[in-house]
Amino acid sequence: GAVVSQHPSRVICKSGTSVKIECRSLDFQATTMFWYRQFPKKSLMLMATSNEGSKATYEQGVEKDKFLINHASLTLSTLTVTSAHPEDSSFYICSARGAGNSNQPQHFGDGTRLSIL
Amino acid sequence: GENVEQHPSTLSVQEGDSAVIKCTYSDSASNYFPWYKQELGKRPQLIIDIRSNVGEKKDQRIAVTLNKTAKHFSLHITETQPEDSAVYFCAARLSNTGKLIFGQGTTLQVKP
Repeated sequence: GAVVSQHPSRVICKSGTSVKIECRSLDFQATTMFWYRQFPKKSLMLMATSNEGSKATYEQGVEKDKFLINHASLTLSTLTVTSAHPEDSSFYICSARGAGNSNQPQHFGDGTRLSIL
Repeated sequence: GENVEQHPSTLSVQEGDSAVIKCTYSDSASNYFPWYKQELGKRPQLIIDIRSNVGEKKDQRIAVTLNKTAKHFSLHITETQPEDSAVYFCAARLSNTGKLIFGQGTTLQVKP
């Protein structure tokens, strides 16, 4: 089945550091990728929709200058948390959707646990 | 805006009993309703899904029902086992954007 690889799985870094998370579709072309944030014991909150070759669409309340998204190829999207602070600590999960209409299934990555000290 | 409400937030059942989780969605344009099982620190795993043109779907011990008029869908797990213990999320997908809107999650505990 479709595989989505997310890297790194775990990041621990100091406050003020910028952290890049990669989401790759390994065996299909993903024209659309989604980035979610999940707090402990909470639901997945959609942060932004990333479309290959165009600017990401951010959900209300998500700072686009804080969470930079780049989707430069059909198999790779990156999320960069700029100047991270302890309140940015969370579980970040991406999902990828294949080419075609919006009814294509989404495939999730394994997530990245970000801890800012 | 789009919203999915999920109940209950926690559910504890005895092994062998049935478990039912209910969700309500707000956007009538939603056309696809997946259910995910998530274990701690792992990715959500799709366990069953239903499309808007179907009222019920079953896969072994798991079934999902959809009432489009009421904008309500439910997950039914029969003969529960301890390994069914996890957090379960419902979601509704918007037909125009393909965005998944998740419910708040249900922590299911199956006691041996």
